[in-house]
Amino acid sequence: GQSLEQPSEVTAVEGAIVQINCTYQTSGFYGLSWYQQHDGGAPTFLSYNGLDGLEETGRFSSFLSRSDSYGYLLLQELQMKDSASYFCALPTSGTYKYIFGTGTRLKVLA
Amino acid sequence: GAVVSQHPSWVICKSGTSVKIECRSLDFQATTMFWYRQFPKQSLMLMATSNEGSKATYEQGVEKDKFLINHASLTLSTLTVTSAHPEDSSFYICSARPLAGEGTGELFFGEGSRLTVL
Repeated sequence: GQSLEQPSEVTAVEGAIVQINCTYQTSGFYGLSWYQQHDGGAPTFLSYNGLDGLEETGRFSSFLSRSDSYGYLLLQELQMKDSASYFCALPTSGTYKYIFGTGTRLKVLA
Repeated sequence: GAVVSQHPSWVICKSGTSVKIECRSLDFQATTMFWYRQFPKQSLMLMATSNEGSKATYEQGVEKDKFLINHASLTLSTLTVTSAHPEDSSFYICSARPLAGEGTGELFFGEGSRLTVL
């Protein structure tokens, strides 16, 4: 089956850069996505990597290495509003039935 | 982006009663929708895949007679928690994706429904 592991919690200060790692196991690879979820809210899409390398979207970037079964989300110029949970996610096949990682709770301190 | 709406946002019910949660795709058709459950400070756990016009596909360990899923139209899927018990209290979230979103890795989620069973 599939599994994705993430650190449970990361703390950083405003303006800093933080990296959230994700290691995964899957029999077939169809891309790695990242989602943000604020407490009580629904997940929102941040980034997607279908191929190796870095994808940049504003303050957020995501990196993928398929040979290492590893990816990370990079958040730059941290703001208080970035305090949330972040999940990496894999589709289990060519469909969009996604399995989510264990989740990383990011705390941004003033 | 595509919009998915979920109703109700929160519901409190007595143990033993049934609760229905609706998930609608507002501006696209969805032949497939997904239902997730999330306990506090935990990840999203996939419960089942809702297929328009056919039976839902349940993940291992999810009781299909407990969590009834109906996908009667291309824009509506419903999840009914039957004979709810306090351990069913959780955050239930649906998701869907328009066909045009293939290859982008993006799922669209409803707002979620927080169920509390007394």
